[in-house]
Amino acid sequence: ELKVEQNPLFLSMQEGKNYTIYCNYSTTSDRLYWYRQDPGKSLESLFVLLSNGAVKQEGRLMASLDTKARLSTLHITAAVHDLSATYFCAVDMGNSNSGYALNFGKGTSLLVTP
Amino acid sequence: EAEVAQSPRYKITEKSQAVAFWCDPISGHATLYWYRQILGQGPELLVQFQDESVVDDSQLPKDRFSAERLKGVDSTLKIQPAELGDSAMYLCASSLGSYYNEQFFGPGTRLTVL
Repeated sequence: ELKVEQNPLFLSMQEGKNYTIYCNYSTTSDRLYWYRQDPGKSLESLFVLLSNGAVKQEGRLMASLDTKARLSTLHITAAVHDLSATYFCAVDMGNSNSGYALNFGKGTSLLVTP
Repeated sequence: EAEVAQSPRYKITEKSQAVAFWCDPISGHATLYWYRQILGQGPELLVQFQDESVVDDSQLPKDRFSAERLKGVDSTLKIQPAELGDSAMYLCASSLGSYYNEQFFGPGTRLTVL
């Protein structure tokens, strides 16, 4: 059974600070996804990481993937209030051109305070 | 911009009643997923379709849940009879089914069973 673990589960940080969210998974996979969810809303795709060493950046968020360590990180630079949300990482076990369901972590609830 | 459509957005029902949710995926997306998200948790797969065929329904409680995608486009998820433990957000997602496998989520249906 594929397990996806995120930490921390709750994070309160001040505006302007940097922090990293970690996502570990239990079986071999080379595809990892990060989503954002605002309260009461659906999931918004942030990053798709498809290979070992993949790094993607969008604004103040940067995601990376180390498939050998089965670890992905989501780094937040100079946090602002608008980044307050829950962040999920998800892994699938697909190795072909067909779609595979995602296995999600429990999410990291981020609160950015003044 | 193409989006996944879902209806209704909210549903309140009494236990033992029947409920149905509808999803229209992004045009051209062959793969459709239904996920259930309990408050404070990550989404979990209920059923996956490739065109009109079920690919994975191993986590679908088949004694009360059913899902169909008759023409390989839109889909319906039904619960009969609803139980208190079914209260959750029901999310529909779609993808091209390619290696990239980025899944796009609809707004969800928030179900409350009284």
